[in-house]
Amino acid sequence: DGGITQSPKYLFRKEGQNVTLSCEQNLNHDAMYWYRQDPGQGLRLIYYSQIVNDFQKGDIAEGYSVSREKKESFPLTVTSAQKNPTAFYLCASSPGLVGYEQYFGPGTRLTVT
Amino acid sequence: DAKTTQPNSMESNEEEPVHLPCNHSTISGTDYIHWYRQLPSQGPEYVIHGLTSNVNNRMASLAIAEDRKSSTLILHRATLRDAAVYYCIAGGTSYGKLTFGQGTILTVHP
Repeated sequence: DGGITQSPKYLFRKEGQNVTLSCEQNLNHDAMYWYRQDPGQGLRLIYYSQIVNDFQKGDIAEGYSVSREKKESFPLTVTSAQKNPTAFYLCASSPGLVGYEQYFGPGTRLTVT
Repeated sequence: DAKTTQPNSMESNEEEPVHLPCNHSTISGTDYIHWYRQLPSQGPEYVIHGLTSNVNNRMASLAIAEDRKSSTLILHRATLRDAAVYYCIAGGTSYGKLTFGQGTILTVHP
């Protein structure tokens, strides 16, 4: 059963701690993305990766880091430098960058207090 | 990505067709028109996308105006499960980034 998974669904952290959100896909997609969604808002792109070992900053990359060591995995680390980390984080994958549909995971809701 | 304008909300009755409009007057020639929908606390779900010609799939149809400045998502027979926020996106040519706006909240009445 192909798809994209994110874990955990809910995550709570204290301010000042780094936290890593997991994203895995078994769709054999080359491209992967991380978005952030705040209440009542649309999605904003944090990072994207076209292929393994390559990733680029999106519109709001400050305070975040990623890695793409395997095709199927694209973890996102929310660092203590991110000023407003509490949000709903969504991972997506796509067969390619342009002209393809994106498949989204179920999301991780991060709360930092 | 081009700016898109959608109604804040729309209502429909179950089993009736729904036409969701979207204006994207600044769309460029290479911008795709994408539609996604999202339920509360879930990831967006791909609905349909196209470039110039009308498109059909099992979920919906996409009608694109000849000048590409507007498009309409058509749900042929709305069900209660179609109630969601529908996002129209005109772009995706910049490394595939999708710029989600406010979307249209679709309410389906039984």
